[in-house]
Amino acid sequence: NAGVTQTPKFQVLKTGQSMTLQCAQDMNHNSMYWYRQDPGMGLRLIYYSASEGTTDKGEVPNGYNVSRLNKREFSLRLESAAPSQTSVYFCASSEVRNGVKPQHFGDGTRLSIL
Amino acid sequence: DQQVKQNSPSLSVQEGRISILNCDYTNSMFDYFLWYKKYPAEGPTFLISISSIKDKNEDGRFTVFLNKSAKHLSLHIVPSQPGDSAVYFCAASANSNYQLIWGAGTKLIIKP
Repeated sequence: NAGVTQTPKFQVLKTGQSMTLQCAQDMNHNSMYWYRQDPGMGLRLIYYSASEGTTDKGEVPNGYNVSRLNKREFSLRLESAAPSQTSVYFCASSEVRNGVKPQHFGDGTRLSIL
Repeated sequence: DQQVKQNSPSLSVQEGRISILNCDYTNSMFDYFLWYKKYPAEGPTFLISISSIKDKNEDGRFTVFLNKSAKHLSLHIVPSQPGDSAVYFCAASANSNYQLIWGAGTKLIIKP
């Protein structure tokens, strides 16, 4: 039962470099999400995909792009990394059941931008 | 503007006693609330949820109470166990939107 798998788990980048964070889920969920978590703060939504073929901005989308490659995969791209993007990134997926759509999370990618 | 606030960064409770974690919100449009638990180096795990049409939801040792007039919810854990030591996040959504707004979390420490 893999659930939500994120790669890589850790990454160090230099300012200006680009990077794609990968996420895949095996629960056949329609919706997928990308969050960032900074120290002392809750998770903040970067982008989400309500269903395959759609993507929408969340609370903090600037500096990021996403691709919903297929139903299983949702990637997050940093085109030109900045130190302010140093964070832990979480991917999640969800499906509506009985009106509830709790999100299931991967274990995160710890990204440092020097 | 923090729409979901968890004002206690940490809470220490004796094993076997009740743990009460609190969450306040400001947006009256929120109609769905969730609690997540997070261990270090792992992603958050869904615990329990409550719709705004209810004032209580129970699942085993976990009970969530919602006071809409006070815009306040709480998570009760009875009895507290060592494995409950984790960071607990409160999250809310409006109009069944996909976007969850998260609190900053409360670190719960269960003392033996």
